[in-house]
Amino acid sequence: AQKITQTQPGMFVQEKEAVTLDCTYDTSDQSYGLFWYKQPSSGEMIFLIYQGSYDEQNATEGRYSLNFQKARKSANLVISASQLGDSAMYFCAMRVHGSSNTGKLIFGQGTTLQVKP
Amino acid sequence: KAGVTQTPRYLIKTRGQQVTLSCSPISGHRSVSWYQQTPGQGLQFLFEYFSETQRNKGNFPGRFSGRQFSNSRSEMNVSTLELGDSALYLCASSWGDRDSNQPQHFGDGTRLSIL
Repeated sequence: AQKITQTQPGMFVQEKEAVTLDCTYDTSDQSYGLFWYKQPSSGEMIFLIYQGSYDEQNATEGRYSLNFQKARKSANLVISASQLGDSAMYFCAMRVHGSSNTGKLIFGQGTTLQVKP
Repeated sequence: KAGVTQTPRYLIKTRGQQVTLSCSPISGHRSVSWYQQTPGQGLQFLFEYFSETQRNKGNFPGRFSGRQFSNSRSEMNVSTLELGDSALYLCASSWGDRDSNQPQHFGDGTRLSIL
């Protein structure tokens, strides 16, 4: 079965501090991609960062980095120097490669992050 | 570069009616995927269209259908609406390469409420 698990329903972080959002995944496939999206209260889903299953280096995009541990099947998002505008729901998602999975992202339940001033 | 555009942003319907939602992808993107987001079930994949053909489908009843036009714009239709269809419907576009690492880019969603 293909599944994404986010065990933290809600998180608080102080402004300017770093925070880690957890994500574990389950798939028996070898080729897949892992994504993180941010969803503010307005509803739009904003792409943050991507990690491929064959990528040896952890992905980084500005203040976002992905701590990818393939053996543990985890893909945690690290946000450095949190800002008030980071307050949102964060989703971890997976796309397994192959013709039967085209266009399909599997999402976790999400983590609500609140940044305190 | 314009993003993914979904219309309308909000819809209120009653049980038994039908509804059509529209999605215009990012220029050049040929794949459009649709998702339903509810508090209870989270984000669930509905279907994906690529070059006017449905290429993948999630586990939703036949009341949920879609189509894609030659300009890659997509519509989603829900017939015989039920209270449980109240949700945020999101569409996402991408280049559509089968094993691509390119992310999907989402629209702002259509919030559908069923009375």
